[in-house]
Amino acid sequence: AQSVTQPDIHITVSEGASLELRCNYSYGATPYLFWYVQSPGQGLQLLLKYFSGDTLVQGIKGFEAEFKRSQSSFNLRKPSVHWSDAAEYFCAVGANSGYALNFGKGTSLLVTP
Amino acid sequence: DAGVIQSPRHEVTEMGQEVTLRCKPISGHNSLFWYRQTMMRGLELLIYFNNNVPIDDSGMPEDRFSAKMPNASFSTLKIQPSEPRDSAVYFCASRPPAGGINEQYFGPGTRLTVT
Repeated sequence: AQSVTQPDIHITVSEGASLELRCNYSYGATPYLFWYVQSPGQGLQLLLKYFSGDTLVQGIKGFEAEFKRSQSSFNLRKPSVHWSDAAEYFCAVGANSGYALNFGKGTSLLVTP
Repeated sequence: DAGVIQSPRHEVTEMGQEVTLRCKPISGHNSLFWYRQTMMRGLELLIYFNNNVPIDDSGMPEDRFSAKMPNASFSTLKIQPSEPRDSAVYFCASRPPAGGINEQYFGPGTRLTVT
């Protein structure tokens, strides 16, 4: 079965600094990979997704993620963080498009002035 | 589109009472998911419907939990009797028919508190 690990529970960055959130997955074949963001009191919103093709994926709000098969990773990046990016970020993996997703435990992002 | 609609947004109930959470998926979506989110366990899949049929309910904690999807536009998650450990945020998500990478669209959640 597929699984996801987000090694960092909390991350704090200064506004304007770059950001990288880590995600490692476990799955034998090429997985479907997703990053979601959850603002306080809200549901989850999709940032970006990957299945095949270009391993660097662009998403909304200036986020991007890179799929690295050799490292079983799908890290999320943003070159310059804004205070509004403070939220909980979830990485998710799916075995195929017709099934449910497995979510990581999430990484809580705090942005300081 | 209104997105996935969940009701109520907040529910406070006493232990032993029956709780019913409701979800209206996005029109045209044929898959529906119920998740539970807690600090300790994160986001857990409870049950997954495809074309109104339960496909995987292995995440349902115990017999106190039940879910139904009587038609394509409505689903319920019922807890009877409720217990304090059921306190969590319950999310409903829907997804369009498979064909490419189809992400799940989440509702705003129902925050359940059982005292």
